[in-house]
Amino acid sequence: AQKVTQAQTEISVVEKEDVTLDCVYETRDTTYYLFWYKQPPSGELVFLIRRNSFDEQNEISGRYSWNFQKSTSSFNFTITASQVVDSAVYFCALSDPLRDDKIIFGKGTRLHILP
Amino acid sequence: DAGVIQSPRHEVTEMGQEVTLRCKPISGHDYLFWYRQTMMRGLELLIYFNNNVPIDDSGMPEDRFSAKMPNASFSTLKIQPSEPRDSAVYFCASMGTALNTEAFFGQGTRLTVV
Repeated sequence: AQKVTQAQTEISVVEKEDVTLDCVYETRDTTYYLFWYKQPPSGELVFLIRRNSFDEQNEISGRYSWNFQKSTSSFNFTITASQVVDSAVYFCALSDPLRDDKIIFGKGTRLHILP
Repeated sequence: DAGVIQSPRHEVTEMGQEVTLRCKPISGHDYLFWYRQTMMRGLELLIYFNNNVPIDDSGMPEDRFSAKMPNASFSTLKIQPSEPRDSAVYFCASMGTALNTEAFFGQGTRLTVV
């Protein structure tokens, strides 16, 4: 069965600190996609990144970076030099496009960046 | 493109009333998803469509919930009769194809049933 676990319900860090959000997934398929979405206080869901299961290269986009490790079924998200504007709920998600077309979300991690 | 458009943004209704939530997906997208977000259960997939056809409605909580997609540019989620436990934010999302694309979400409809 597909499952996404975000064990960290809530995290608080002081501005400028680095923070890593954990995501562990379960799937029986070899072809799948992983995603991260951001939900700021305004409520919309903003797409951040998509990664397919055949691409284990880490990705960096500005202060954001993602570490995909198939060996541990993890797709962790790190924010470097955090800013107050990074305060949001972050969701990790999984889809198995060869099985069905669902996108399954984790419960989310609420991140507070304190000034 | 204006993105996924949901209406209304907020809805307050009395228990027992019928509620209809609306969604206009991004033009050309093949997939449309309805999600419900609550504090307790997070983001739950209710139903999704491919080319206007419902593919999986196993997430629809009860027969009180129904969804339709009469054409490629419009979908509705209806709750009849509504109950206080239906209070949540309902999101619609659309996706181009299943492979190598992501879902784009609407702004959501915050439903309060009193």
